[in-house]
Amino acid sequence: GENVEQHPSTLSVQEGDSAVIKCTYSDSASNYFPWYKQELGKRPQLIIDIRSNVGEKKDQRIAVTLNKTAKHFSLHITETQPEDSAVYFCAASRYGGSQGNLIFGKGTKLSVKP
Amino acid sequence: DADVTQTPRNRITKTGKRIMLECSQTKGHDRMYWYRQDPGLGLRLIYYSFDVKDINKGEISDGYSVSRQAQAKFSLSLESAIPNQTALYFCATSDLRGGLETQYFGPGTRLLVL
Repeated sequence: GENVEQHPSTLSVQEGDSAVIKCTYSDSASNYFPWYKQELGKRPQLIIDIRSNVGEKKDQRIAVTLNKTAKHFSLHITETQPEDSAVYFCAASRYGGSQGNLIFGKGTKLSVKP
Repeated sequence: DADVTQTPRNRITKTGKRIMLECSQTKGHDRMYWYRQDPGLGLRLIYYSFDVKDINKGEISDGYSVSRQAQAKFSLSLESAIPNQTALYFCATSDLRGGLETQYFGPGTRLLVL
């Protein structure tokens, strides 16, 4: 089955710096890669996702890149702000059919220092 | 997301007791999931259901059971609670509209087993 590895487990940056979180996956049939953000005491929420037919996707200060050959994808946050402090989870799945359930990485705790 | 609710939000129980955690959704989604979250271990899938007549074990189903009473309701039971089941439990829902497995999480149930 699918296995998703996420690094680093913790990340501390100064406000205004960039942050990068990396994930690797094992199942070459995986073709959907979402990222979830979980603020302290709250539920995980989708912030951005990418399909396997796209190499990069941006939404304001966040972007996700995908390298299918190497089976890794990354979350990039630019101009970090204190409200970006949270735990971030990557995930992978084969969308559609009976194998559409997401496999999550173990999470990265991002701290943005003012 | 108020469309996915969980009861209770907090529960303290004793070893050996049977308890049930309930999840309801008004999103009209077919797919429902139960996860547990432990520090450093991310989100681990306990059970999932793709429709009312479909129940599947996840990564860590031992010691748990589920019931899909209706499209909108998915309950998780701990038949005989033990201390290492102390965790934060999340219910989630999704559908494959557009072929994407976006999951919507409930607010979580914090369980303490003494």
